[in-house]
Amino acid sequence: AQSVTQLGSHVSVSEGALVLLRCNYSSSVPPYLFWYVQYPNQGLQLLLKYTSAATLVKGINGFEAEFKKSETSFHLTKPSAHMSDAAEYFCAVSAQAGTALIFGKGTTLSVSS
Amino acid sequence: GAGVSQSPSNKVTEKGKDVELRCDPISGHTALYWYRQSLGQGLEFLIYFQGNSAPDKSGLPSDRFSAERTGGSVSTLTIQRTQQEDSAVYLCASSFGQGNADTQYFGPGTRLTVL
Repeated sequence: AQSVTQLGSHVSVSEGALVLLRCNYSSSVPPYLFWYVQYPNQGLQLLLKYTSAATLVKGINGFEAEFKKSETSFHLTKPSAHMSDAAEYFCAVSAQAGTALIFGKGTTLSVSS
Repeated sequence: GAGVSQSPSNKVTEKGKDVELRCDPISGHTALYWYRQSLGQGLEFLIYFQGNSAPDKSGLPSDRFSAERTGGSVSTLTIQRTQQEDSAVYLCASSFGQGNADTQYFGPGTRLTVL
């Protein structure tokens, strides 16, 4: 069975600081991994996804994530936070082909000026 | 182009009433998913449709929940005899295919409040 753990339900950074949101997965098969962002009162928007093509994945809005099999991690980073990055972020793993995403509990990112 | 749309955006109902939530997926997408987002449980999978195959209902929490997809497009999630614990945001997503690398595109959700 697959599962996802997001460490830290709430992360606060200053504008311009590094953003690091942690995600660890458990999967009995090679996983496909996703990061989604949710702004208030909106649906989820895909930031990036790992599909085994490259371990360092670049996404939208300057975010990137690195797949580390040895650490079963897929942490999300951004070199310099912007106020507009304040949102909730979800890591997800895709289970067997043709099934739904399994989401972590989410991490709320706050950005202060 | 048009994204996934859901209606209504908000629904307030009384305990015991039935509700129907609608999802219009992106045109051409063969896969459609329903999820539920609540404070206590996070994002939970409910049901999945792929083409003409039998839906995967493994996430439905009780037999009060059902869903159908007509003509391979629009889907309706029905909750019968609503309970207060059904209060949540119900999200619909669609994807082009059924591969587990396919991106799921989410709608804005329907916020259900059961009084």
